[in-house]
Amino acid sequence: DIVMTQSPDSLAVSLGERATVNCKSSSSVLYSSNNKNYLAWYQQKPGQPPKLLIYWASTRESGVPDRFSGSGSGTDFTLTISTLQAEDVAVYYCQQYYNTPRTFGQGTKLEIK
Amino acid sequence: QVQLVQSGAEVKEPGASVKVSCKASGYTFTSSAVHWVRQAPGQRLEWMGWINGDNGNTKYSQKFQGRVTITRDTSASTAYMELSSLRSEDTAVYYCARSSGNNGYEPFDYWGQGTLVTVSS
Repeated sequence: DIVMTQSPDSLAVSLGERATVNCKSSSSVLYSSNNKNYLAWYQQKPGQPPKLLIYWASTRESGVPDRFSGSGSGTDFTLTISTLQAEDVAVYYCQQYYNTPRTFGQGTKLEIK
Repeated sequence: QVQLVQSGAEVKEPGASVKVSCKASGYTFTSSAVHWVRQAPGQRLEWMGWINGDNGNTKYSQKFQGRVTITRDTSASTAYMELSSLRSEDTAVYYCARSSGNNGYEPFDYWGQGTLVTVSS
């Protein structure tokens, strides 16, 4: 199984500041045939299902604010929130959909400082 | 708009089985795959398996092989997940989620609201 490890486990950032969440996969999720990274980021607020933010490592889902961005390739990925808003308080998960079983990171809890 | 609506909360005794439904609307059911993911209290999201909405082919996580069965009823645009031999560690919120294609190698773009399954004697 591909193990997804996020850092940090929790993060406190001031409103308007940048938040960065890292995700490392135990093996590459880059498929060489199409040069796509099979990596997604989700946001989960309390009592709600996860919401897709970013897929193919850097493609923003429709309707997701442009302050959210994803980067990285192979085994190392980053989710960045450029200017933190109050509504961004949530747990963020990375996920690989490169192979079976699909696996998720342990989550990063983002709070306001 | 795409919606996945799941059945209600369940309380089961150890050793029993549970079957959760996921009714899809707002898209052509057979054009997409449905995955099942669970989240135990304080734990990370855990993928259980998926079903091809068109041909009904399934793939399960090795962890649940032999205990989980995912099926679909295309006439009702509904997917089902049945988990047997329940134990206390299966207490979790169970989600269905759609991936936009039918090959299963797509992100999960829509999720059901979740179904709490509690296993307790």
